[in-house]
Amino acid sequence: NAGVTQTPKFQVLKTGQSMTLQCAQDMNHEYMSWYRQDPGMGLRLIHYSVGAGITDQGEVPNGYNVSRSTTEDFPLRLLSAAPSQTSVYFCASRRYAMGINEQFFGPGTRLTVL
Amino acid sequence: KQEVTQIPAALSVPEGENLVLNCSFTDSAIYNLQWFRQDPGKGLTSLLLIQSSQREQTSGRLNASLDKSSGRSTLYIAASQPGDSATYLCAVGSGGGADGLTFGKGTHLIIQP
Repeated sequence: NAGVTQTPKFQVLKTGQSMTLQCAQDMNHEYMSWYRQDPGMGLRLIHYSVGAGITDQGEVPNGYNVSRSTTEDFPLRLLSAAPSQTSVYFCASRRYAMGINEQFFGPGTRLTVL
Repeated sequence: KQEVTQIPAALSVPEGENLVLNCSFTDSAIYNLQWFRQDPGKGLTSLLLIQSSQREQTSGRLNASLDKSSGRSTLYIAASQPGDSATYLCAVGSGGGADGLTFGKGTHLIIQP
């Protein structure tokens, strides 16, 4: 049982490049989400999904796209990277049920946009 | 909009002391509150989850309490050890469905040997 896994661990991009951050979970959790963590800002929700084929925006969605084709995977796409997207990105998952929602986090992807 | 505040922002204490970390939130209509630990350059490790109907949860030397009406939670660490040094994050779940967690900015804890 690997929990929540993320790849890559580190990435450096140039402004305007695109890339996909991968996230997978093996706990059969319906709910998956992406957060970014910035110094002095805490963690903020980017996008989330309550099941395959269903996604929605969080607090800071601009510049990011997501899709959810399977229960296990929830990739985050940066279509045209900007320096403001330099951050640490965390993927999380939990069961989607009232009151049963302990969240589990992946190890993070540290992204630098030059 | 839910806002979560953690006090103090940083704390340094000698090994062996008991200590309390504080978390406050502005909207008492929460479903749960979760405490996490984050080591430098690492992900978040869940420590304790308190449902809105509960008053406290305990795990080993850790005890977390929740007072919804006053918008407060505390994390009590007994007999602190150098290995407890980390950043502790408080996060509030304001929806049992699709809502994500609202995080505080954390308390950076250093336990001096």
